[in-house]
Amino acid sequence: GDSVTQMEGPVTLSEEAFLTINCTYTATGYPSLFWYVQYPGEGLQLLLKATKADDKGSNKGFEATYRKETTSFHLEKGSVQVSDSAVYFCALSDRESGGGADGLTFGKGTHLIIQP
Amino acid sequence: SAVISQKPSRDICQRGTSLTIQCQVDSQVTMMFWYRQQPGQSLTLIATANQGSEATYESGFVIDKFPISRPNLTFSTLTVSNMSPEDSSIYLCSVGGRVVNEQFFGPGTRLTVL
Repeated sequence: GDSVTQMEGPVTLSEEAFLTINCTYTATGYPSLFWYVQYPGEGLQLLLKATKADDKGSNKGFEATYRKETTSFHLEKGSVQVSDSAVYFCALSDRESGGGADGLTFGKGTHLIIQP
Repeated sequence: SAVISQKPSRDICQRGTSLTIQCQVDSQVTMMFWYRQQPGQSLTLIATANQGSEATYESGFVIDKFPISRPNLTFSTLTVSNMSPEDSSIYLCSVGGRVVNEQFFGPGTRLTVL
């Protein structure tokens, strides 16, 4: 079955540091890939997405590139802020061509802590 | 994106009782999904609910334990039946977005079973 593997947390960085959160996946089809973020006390929010190989999703200074050859979708940000402290989830949806929406398969989440 | 609300936002329940969680969307959507997020864990899909048809359950989840209703295109309910402490989780509903497989999530219902 489909699965998503993320680096274990918590990840603790200083403000303005470079961030990478690794995400790899296994899927039977040709999935769409997502990063979701859960800020403290808030609901899950879509951060960015990519639907085909070599697509780059970006939002709020975060980027992730869909790498089919390495089955990866690593999240990066050049300079993190304290406000980026949250739990980040990598997810995939393995939809067969032809339409229809599927539930998402999530990684376990990575707790990111940014210190001033 | 859709605006999704859930009721209740949290509840504390006794073992053996049942709780029904409501999910309301501000626009008509075809697909609605219910997830569970156990403490410190990731989200796990419980079932997919289409309006006018029976919900489709994922492996490990059954209708008797988690009955779902989907009476119209803007509303769904999930019932957690005969609860035990292991059912303590956050339950979230989500809906599909305009981009294929994009989903938007409600704020969640935090359930504690004593």
